[in-house]
Amino acid sequence: DAGITQSPRHKVTETGTPVTLRCHQTENHRYMYWYRQDPGHGLRLIHYSYGVKDTDKGEVSDGYSVSRSKTEDFLLTLESATSSQTSVYFCAISETPGIGGYTFGSGTRLTVV
Amino acid sequence: GENVGLHLPTLSVQEGDNSIINCAYSNSASDYFIWYKQESGKGPQFIIDIRSNMDKRQGQRVTVLLNKTVKHLSLQIAATQPGDSAVYFCAEIYYNQGGKLIFGQGTELSVKP
Repeated sequence: DAGITQSPRHKVTETGTPVTLRCHQTENHRYMYWYRQDPGHGLRLIHYSYGVKDTDKGEVSDGYSVSRSKTEDFLLTLESATSSQTSVYFCAISETPGIGGYTFGSGTRLTVV
Repeated sequence: GENVGLHLPTLSVQEGDNSIINCAYSNSASDYFIWYKQESGKGPQFIIDIRSNMDKRQGQRVTVLLNKTVKHLSLQIAATQPGDSAVYFCAEIYYNQGGKLIFGQGTELSVKP
């Protein structure tokens, strides 16, 4: 998707290992979000950021941490990956919530074995 | 509570027919709603949005209707095409929580040629 890149696109990791997913934007948008998508649950918010070093928890934040040291990058870390964290992770950006849609990345498919 | 959901998980239509996808929400304070389309292996793509001071909004081949009395949204797709086959999500915004979006579980639209 234009202006937003997620890496890696696919990852397989072992239970108990730390994992970091990266979201990079070139739009200079203030707001960034991490969602996970699972069958039967739609997209659920993990964490979000409303500026550099400003982050807050979403609905399913347990086991995840985030960091935003510069506008363009929002990192999601699974501190100790568990099988329940096997999912597709999407990053989204927004210039101003409620004005225009949010732009989503292409997703990272994470498998924890 | 936070509950945005869709009445039907799957919808199958004939090419050329009109499609109607429904969504119910529970937060009467929500004032901004978005419809997204998600194709297999991709992130959600913005289709159309609507504010609570409107009851109808039209885009290219799509119309969103909002009924605040019964807290119901619908997405109408005119002359449905095979390229419209995807999962469709409605989402509502929570301004007091960083502008996060709460998503419904999605409806899978299948277009038969």
